[in-house]
Amino acid sequence: AQSVAQPEDQVNVAEGNPLTVKCTYSVSGNPYLFWYVQYPNRGLQFLLKYITGDNLVKGSYGFEAEFNKSQTSFHLKKPSALVSDSALYFCAVREVYNAGNNRKLIWGLGTSLAVNP
Amino acid sequence: DAGVIQSPRHEVTEMGQEVTLRCKPISGHNSLFWYRQTMMRGLELLIYFNNNVPIDDSGMPEDRFSAKMPNASFSTLKIQPSEPRDSAVYFCASSPQGHEQYFGPGTRLTVT
Repeated sequence: AQSVAQPEDQVNVAEGNPLTVKCTYSVSGNPYLFWYVQYPNRGLQFLLKYITGDNLVKGSYGFEAEFNKSQTSFHLKKPSALVSDSALYFCAVREVYNAGNNRKLIWGLGTSLAVNP
Repeated sequence: DAGVIQSPRHEVTEMGQEVTLRCKPISGHNSLFWYRQTMMRGLELLIYFNNNVPIDDSGMPEDRFSAKMPNASFSTLKIQPSEPRDSAVYFCASSPQGHEQYFGPGTRLTVT
C-alpha cells in the first residue's frame, strides 16, 4: 500500500541555521513527490515537486528537496531558515505506474516547523 | 488568474441543517479535489473529479455527504443533514494534468 511518513511532528531551528524536514514514502511503482506549505488559516501552497531527472529539485522561497530512491526519501531543506518559514509542511506522493486516470495524492500528516529568532 | 475560489469562507450552522460549499477551480485545470482538515484526522481526501467525472469518492464519510461537478468551472460539496462532527476546514483544490494541486483558501464550517 502507498504511504508517506513524516517522522517528526515538530522541528525547531534557529534563524539562519539550515533546516531539514524529513519525508519517506512507500509505493509500488515510480513516485511523483511533492512538498506543500500551510501558513495559519490558509490553504496549502505548492513548494516543489520531483517527477523525473535531477534528484535535487529547487522550489519556492529558497527551498529544495533531494530525491533518494534507495532510501525512499524526499527530505525538504533550506540552507538558512527565516522566522517567516514557520508553518506546517506536508509531503505527498503520487504513484505513477497505474497513473492512468489516477490523480490522487497520498499525504503525510505534516510537520510543524518553528524558526526561532 | 484568481486562483481557486471557495465560498463561503466561514459557515456556522445548526445541527440538522443543509450546508453547501462551493468551489471554482482554476481555468484549464481538469482535476478537482475536495479535502477536509481537522486537528484530529489531519488532511483527508473526500472525493476527486477528472474532467467533471467523479473518480474516487472512497473518502466521503457517509451518505450525508455528496459532491457534484456540473461543469468545468464549478463544484459543490453538500452535507445534509449536518452534524457537529462535520466541523472542519474544507478545501477545494484543482490540478492541471494531475501534477501539483492548487488549493483554495478553505471554508471553515462550524456545526453547533
